[in-house]
Amino acid sequence: DAKTTQPTSMDCAEGRAANLPCNHSTISGNEYVYWYRQIHSQGPQYIIHGLKNNETNEMASLIITEDRKSSTLILPHATLRDTAVYYCIAAYWGKLQFGAGTQVVVTP
Amino acid sequence: GAGVSQSPSNKVTEKGKDVELRCDPISGHTALYWYRQSLGQGLEFLIYFQGNSAPDKSGLPSDRFSAERTGGSVSTLTIQRTQQEDSAVYLCASSFPLVGTYEQYFGPGTRLTVT
Repeated sequence: DAKTTQPTSMDCAEGRAANLPCNHSTISGNEYVYWYRQIHSQGPQYIIHGLKNNETNEMASLIITEDRKSSTLILPHATLRDTAVYYCIAAYWGKLQFGAGTQVVVTP
Repeated sequence: GAGVSQSPSNKVTEKGKDVELRCDPISGHTALYWYRQSLGQGLEFLIYFQGNSAPDKSGLPSDRFSAERTGGSVSTLTIQRTQQEDSAVYLCASSFPLVGTYEQYFGPGTRLTVT
């Protein structure tokens, strides 16, 4: 599976959009981009995934560049409950390789 | 509906003892995964099952670790002769078939402490 690179941490003001970048320059053609998050002391939670097209669901939007070498997860209106570690993963099948992720802190 | 459940939620054991960790996946999910998360670390993939079969066991840290799944449902992760470095949160996840775009649903984990 392709390696991903994310910033270590970022802060976001409550109510504002949070834009989380991820680089996956070695992603192969059949690998999807997955985003999970882990709130303290809980198991990871699936957020969204995509292959080539941009995707949106009730939690977030995923923007994937045309060359697929990077992507951005967008939380449109961050709340305090969105404080978590966010993981970007490139994978074809279920053996997910979690990196260090981005610690997102949403502040009032 | 019911999510992935794991038991026990916490386990404290003495070094050298054997432990069994249990995972009950979501009904109908054919794929099951075990991960480990040591304190302050990311998740480490251990093993997966497709049905009752575990094609790839290379993620298991040592031969003290084993896992089985019966009836395509419940899975047990067994650690023999536990060591202090085995202390971690053990997470189980399940999904529909292994290959494809199916998201994994994680359980709350079992916190294992080896004293």
